[in-house]
Amino acid sequence: SQKIEQNSEALNIQEGKTATLTCNYTNYSPAYLQWYRQDPGRGPVFLLLIRENEKEKRKERLKVTFDTTLKQSLFHITASQPADSATYLCALSTGGFKTIFGAGTRLFVKA
Amino acid sequence: NAGVTQTPKFQVLKTGQSMTLQCAQDMNHNSMYWYRQDPGMGLRLIYYSASEGTTDKGEVPNGYNVSRLNKREFSLRLESAAPSQTSVYFCATVGQLMNTEAFFGQGTRLTVV
Repeated sequence: SQKIEQNSEALNIQEGKTATLTCNYTNYSPAYLQWYRQDPGRGPVFLLLIRENEKEKRKERLKVTFDTTLKQSLFHITASQPADSATYLCALSTGGFKTIFGAGTRLFVKA
Repeated sequence: NAGVTQTPKFQVLKTGQSMTLQCAQDMNHNSMYWYRQDPGMGLRLIYYSASEGTTDKGEVPNGYNVSRLNKREFSLRLESAAPSQTSVYFCATVGQLMNTEAFFGQGTRLTVV
C-alpha cells in the first residue's frame, strides 16, 4: 500500500543551525510533493511545492529537494529561529484530486 | 477576506448524536476537502468535492456524509456519532489549477463521549 514516512521523533536543534527533515515514500509515483507547516491548534499552512522533474526548490531560508530514485524529499531550514518551531507535514499527489499527507515531524528550535 | 472558515471550533457529542460541520470559502476555488487528523497519523481524506454538484469518497468515508451546497460551502455530517470519530476535522480548498497548494480552515475539535 502507499505509504509516507516522516520521522515521528521530534527534532531539537539550536538556534542558528540548519534543520533537516526527511520524507520517505513507498509504492507511490508522485507528480509533485508539498511541505506544510502546522502550529498547535491551527490548520496546516503551505510552504513549498516541488514537481517530479525538479531536483531542488528554494524560498528564503527554506530548501526542498526531491529524489524520485531514492523516493525521498529533504526539507531544510537554514539559520533556524525559535519561531520556526512547529510540526512540518509532507504531502504527495499524483496530480489528481487526492493528496496523501505524512504524520509530520515536530521541530523545536532552542534559543 | 477570511479564506476558509469552519464552524464550530469545538464540539462535544454523546454517542449516537448527530451534527453537521460547516465549511465556507471565499476564494472562488472549485475543489473542497474534508480531512480528519489523529495523533501519530497523517491527515486522512474523508470526502472531497472536485466541483459544485459532485462529491467523492476519500480514504475513510464510513460514518460520514457530505453536501456541496454551492461553490462556497461544503458540509460534513455525522449521522450517529461514535467515540472513534473523536478527532480534529479540517476543511481545505484547492485553487483553479489542481496541482497547487491547499488552503486549510482552522479546524474543528470534536469529542464523542
